[in-house]
Amino acid sequence: GNSVTQMEGPVTLSEEAFLTINCTYTATGYPSPFWYVQYPGEGLQLLLKATKADDKGSNKGFEATYRKETTSFHLEKGSVQVSDSAVYFCALSDNSGNEKLTFGTGTRLTIIP
Amino acid sequence: GAVVSQHPSRVICKSGTSVKIECRSLDFQATTMFWYRQFPKQSLMLMATSNEGSKATYEQGVEKDKFLINHASLTLSTLTVTSAHPEDSSFYICSASSGSTDTQYFGPGTRLTVL
Repeated sequence: GNSVTQMEGPVTLSEEAFLTINCTYTATGYPSPFWYVQYPGEGLQLLLKATKADDKGSNKGFEATYRKETTSFHLEKGSVQVSDSAVYFCALSDNSGNEKLTFGTGTRLTIIP
Repeated sequence: GAVVSQHPSRVICKSGTSVKIECRSLDFQATTMFWYRQFPKQSLMLMATSNEGSKATYEQGVEKDKFLINHASLTLSTLTVTSAHPEDSSFYICSASSGSTDTQYFGPGTRLTVL
């Protein structure tokens, strides 16, 4: 089956710092990668996704490019804010039609003013 | 839009009792709902997939007689943990999909503690 490996946290950064959270995967077939974010006390929300190789997903200043050659979907943001403090999950859909997602372990991000 | 609620948010029960957790899609019809379990500092583990009006499909290693799932309508799925034991204590999360996209919308989760 598929597996997702993401950067272990917790990660603590100062406001306006550059953020990278690494995510790599192993999969068969043609998977699609996602990033979900979980703010304190809330459910997971879709942050961004990609559907084909070299696609770049972007939302709220975050970006991730689907690199098939390195089986990666690293999350980046140029200048983080305190409001970005949350847990970030990388996930993979196997596109087999059953809509199942395989999740990474999550990375807790804390931004300090 | 695409809001999913869960009830209760927290529940504490005695060993041997059963607990029901509800998952509702508030503003869309969910043809498919998923139930996950999350252990501390670990990933979400898919327990089962349920489609409205049919039996749930359980992942390998998940006991279907212990974790009863019912998806009786397009807006409601329930997970019943039967004869709960302390090892069932966990964070249970549901998600819902309308089927028209590959996006799942997640509920806020239910913290179950079995004494």
